[in-house]
Formats: sequence, C-alpha cells, structure tokens
Amino acid sequence: QQQVKQSPQSLIVQKGGISIINCAYENTAFDYFPWYQQFPGKGPALLIAIRPDVSEKKEGRFTISFNKSAKQFSLHIMDSQPGDSATYFCAARKGEGAQKLVFGQGTRLTINP
Amino acid sequence: DVKVTQSSRYLVKRTGEKVFLECVQDMDHENMFWYRQDPGLGLRLIYFSYDVKMKEKGDIPEGYSVSREKKERFSLILESASTNQTSMYLCASSPHIRAQYFGPGTRLTVL
Repeated sequence: QQQVKQSPQSLIVQKGGISIINCAYENTAFDYFPWYQQFPGKGPALLIAIRPDVSEKKEGRFTISFNKSAKQFSLHIMDSQPGDSATYFCAARKGEGAQKLVFGQGTRLTINP
Repeated sequence: DVKVTQSSRYLVKRTGEKVFLECVQDMDHENMFWYRQDPGLGLRLIYFSYDVKMKEKGDIPEGYSVSREKKERFSLILESASTNQTSMYLCASSPHIRAQYFGPGTRLTVL
C-alpha cells in the first residue's frame, strides 16, 4: 500500500507560472517531509524539507506548505522555469531516529517555454 | 561533494541469471540503501544497511539479497533474475536521515 500519495502524476506549466504538487499521508508518526528532484539520467537529489511543527518553508522559488490537521503537504514552485522540468518526489520519515524514507509516486513536471 | 557510484548504467540479463549490482560511496556514510524506481510507483525500498555486515529488509525484499562487507560498498543481488525485476535500481547513502545521496541508477532489463 502507498503510505504517501502524490498527485498529479504529470503536470505541464507555462514558463513563469506556479507549479503545485500535492502529497497526503495517513501515518501520524511521520515527522520529517523532504522533497527530492530528479533530472533525466540522474539520481534524485534533496530539494527542500519541512518538519510538521511549521506550516511553511521557503527556499528561493520553492515553498513547502504543510497542513498537519489534514495530513497534507505540497510543493509550490513560483515563477517556474524550463530548467525546473524534472520528476519530483515527496517523502516522509517515520519518527526520530528512523532510517527509512517512504516516497510518493512521483510527478513529472514539464515547464513549457 | 558526495559521490555515489553504481557499477553499470545499463544492464541486460536473462531470466534465471544471478545478477550483482554494485554501489560505492566515498563519504564514509553509515547508512546505505537500495531502491527500485518504477513509473507510477515512485521509489520503493528493497534493503538498507546501517553498518558493515548489518542489513534490514525494506518494503519489497522478495527476490533480492544484499551484502555489505566494507563500509563504502553495498551490493544488491538478484539470485535468479525474473522479468518482473526489470526496473531502474537506485543506490543511496546517508550520514543521517535528513539527506540521502543517490547514485545515477542502473537500468536493468531481464529478458
């Protein structure tokens, strides 16, 4: 069963627009939520991460919004650029000290010039 | 820069063959992971290791085994490859859970 559900599976956005990718989880023991970015032919790389005690984290054009009561979190990419075209994965860690991450299904983002 | 290398970018094997996928990291990380990546399913953890000779099953360990004889090297073994093991295999290492560093992946095709 998929412990972290990610949507949409694919997304096309015009250059300069806002890209939004959503994730939902059920396990309230999850305590750390990273996002990974993967370019074709490369492995995923950590992009940005959030803990559930904050509702938002921003790094440049990338923002994570976190809704603890709804058990949902989302990645927003402002002023989307063609270089942002990649596959994005949300993930969750089960508790402090846990070594494993559970990943969402991935979203293939395409930014049209 | 952390570097995680995988022995092959592309591999083609026949059903029933024993397959070895090698992963090496150069940052003295304690933790190493093997995932498979399939469209629509994301990354699924096969096995991970938190120390030399230590291993723990992930979410989909069936049909796989692992070996970690040295800290920098983590091998994934397909004892008898099957067509449903055709996939992209990703290795990762981490000093702590807040960042996993991934290799470029091995695309394995089993005929």
